[in-house]
Amino acid sequence: GQNIDQPTEMTATEGAIVQINCTYQTSGFNGLFWYQQHAGEAPTFLSYNVLDGLEEKGRFSSFLSRSKGYSYLLLKELQMKDSASYLCAVIESNYQLIWGAGTKLIIKP
Amino acid sequence: GAVVSQHPSWVICKSGTSVKIECRSLDFQATTMFWYRQFPKQSLMLMATSNEGSKATYEQGVEKDKFLINHASLTLSTLTVTSAHPEDSSFYICSARESSGREQFFGPGTRLTVL
Repeated sequence: GQNIDQPTEMTATEGAIVQINCTYQTSGFNGLFWYQQHAGEAPTFLSYNVLDGLEEKGRFSSFLSRSKGYSYLLLKELQMKDSASYLCAVIESNYQLIWGAGTKLIIKP
Repeated sequence: GAVVSQHPSWVICKSGTSVKIECRSLDFQATTMFWYRQFPKQSLMLMATSNEGSKATYEQGVEKDKFLINHASLTLSTLTVTSAHPEDSSFYICSARESSGREQFFGPGTRLTVL
């Protein structure tokens, strides 16, 4: 069946680094998204990985291992505004998106 | 990796007007392009699949006469939201699959707000 797992909640300190993991089992694979969602707002696009490896974009990096069904989102130099939910989503063979439940990231001063 | 661009990145329009969103594959030829829509607080959903030179295939529940898709060349697809209404306000993302069919690349999205 389809399943995407990510931790429910994580806490980190301002200025530190945090890694949010995502594992998946889906019907085929056509890529993986990471989204950021602030409370009460729509998710916004952070990254997209389709090949193995690390994609770096400023303070955010995303990693994918297709053989392991595993991805992570790495956030560096954490800022208070990074407090949000982070959603992992996989595109299946039929191009539909399967969403994880999201990881609530709490940043402390 | 390959780059897909969207234009505009955000647009605000009045109810009843039409809005065109462009999706371009900048350094590769895309035989197939996909349009996704993301409702506020909901998941992103596939709207339609378009192949260059042919009519788009729409997903169930998507009005083809309201969301006009044109894939006129191997590097450009357009989505026109006709007679836009506030409920059409959403985040629209396109993606392009290269000719070999092995990889799919996503654009940064267009945020549409209809007043």
